[in-house]
Amino acid sequence: DARVTQTPRHKVTEMGQEVTMRCQPILGHNTVFWYRQTMMQGLELLAYFRNRAPLDDSGMPKDRFSAEMPDATLATLKIQPSEPRDSAVYFCASGPPHLQGEAFFGQGTRLTVV
Amino acid sequence: AQSVTQLDSQVPVFEEAPVELRCNYSSSVSVYLFWYVQYPNQGLQLLLKYLSGSTLVKGINGFEAEFNKSQTSFHLRKPSVHISDTAEYFCAATGSARQLTFGSGTQLTVLP
Repeated sequence: DARVTQTPRHKVTEMGQEVTMRCQPILGHNTVFWYRQTMMQGLELLAYFRNRAPLDDSGMPKDRFSAEMPDATLATLKIQPSEPRDSAVYFCASGPPHLQGEAFFGQGTRLTVV
Repeated sequence: AQSVTQLDSQVPVFEEAPVELRCNYSSSVSVYLFWYVQYPNQGLQLLLKYLSGSTLVKGINGFEAEFNKSQTSFHLRKPSVHISDTAEYFCAATGSARQLTFGSGTQLTVLP
């Protein structure tokens, strides 16, 4: 059963620490999205990649966030340094080449910065 | 730019009653529309999608949605809801950039 895998599922860290979230997209998918979900803001698109190239990261705070795809099977989202306001659930989603915008979501990483 | 508006943040409904969750989108180009469901502590799952063709789209779990171009709407309906349908529902749209934009979500609560 193909699925998007995100690790870790939960992360508690202290303010100022680096956080790395990982995502394994579904094999054969060429589009990867990173979303952040909070009660106040709902679902926000942080970045998305197609064929490993970043197409849009305008939703991401550039000074502390970075997103990369070192290879087709791994996407990473890093926060350095982390702040309490970064506490949220971060979702990765992937999409196949032929579908118009459809995305398959991982279970999310729940990040708490104290 | 694409935008999606979900008109109701919370919808309580009794079990076995019908429900409609409203969604409007804005776009000046061709658009593809989706409804996703999110159960507690889970990621989002696709319920149904409109790409082209028939304006009435059927999805999983007995849900359906109707694409109305003149009203730029894509409302989600179910004729009889179950307790297990309690979840958050998100309408989403993508345009020429193939970037998925979500609405703010509607919490559906089915009451016994």
